[in-house]
Amino acid sequence: KNQVEQSPQSLIILEGKNCTLQCNYTVSPFSNLRWYKQDTGRGPVSLTIMTFSENTKSNGRYTATLDADTKQSSLHITASQLSDSASYICVVSEGGYNKLIFGAGTRLAVHP
Amino acid sequence: NAGVTQTPKFQVLKTGQSMTLQCAQDMNHNSMYWYRQDPGMGLRLIYYSASEGTTDKGEVPNGYNVSRLNKREFSLRLESAAPSQTSVYFCASSERGTYGYTFGSGTRLTVV
Repeated sequence: KNQVEQSPQSLIILEGKNCTLQCNYTVSPFSNLRWYKQDTGRGPVSLTIMTFSENTKSNGRYTATLDADTKQSSLHITASQLSDSASYICVVSEGGYNKLIFGAGTRLAVHP
Repeated sequence: NAGVTQTPKFQVLKTGQSMTLQCAQDMNHNSMYWYRQDPGMGLRLIYYSASEGTTDKGEVPNGYNVSRLNKREFSLRLESAAPSQTSVYFCASSERGTYGYTFGSGTRLTVV
């Protein structure tokens, strides 16, 4: 069964610190992997999208990595800010462009 | 720059009542989707419309119907609401051939 698993489920860090979120997937065939940020009460917003041939992509303080051989991805957040408090969702596209398998998300809280 | 607009934002229904969730996008996207998000789970696809005039079932279509009214609008109808349909519902749109995916802000539905 195609699945996307994320860890940890939740995380608390202090403002200014770095953190790394993990994503493991068993989706096949693989098309691309996306990371979304979802603020409370809002819809998910895309942070990065990586295809099979890409193993790292950055968006400001967010850096995503992809290891297609081990089917793992990570999202690294540098110098966290209070506004980074949100859920981060890993999404893998199966086959075509828009058949998406969503992870349950990691809830990040950044404290001052 | 409205993107994807969902109405209403909140709704409380009694078991057995019916209602329609509205979704409109202004990006001229061909494809539109309805998802539900439940605690501890990834978003799950209810129905999608690959293009105007077509609709298809997703992972969890039971208890729902959809209408692709025109290219802009895609509505989700609950004919006889059940407590199991208590959830946050998200509409999304995308363009064929691209990875872009835009979500609305969601409708929080409670069925009592």
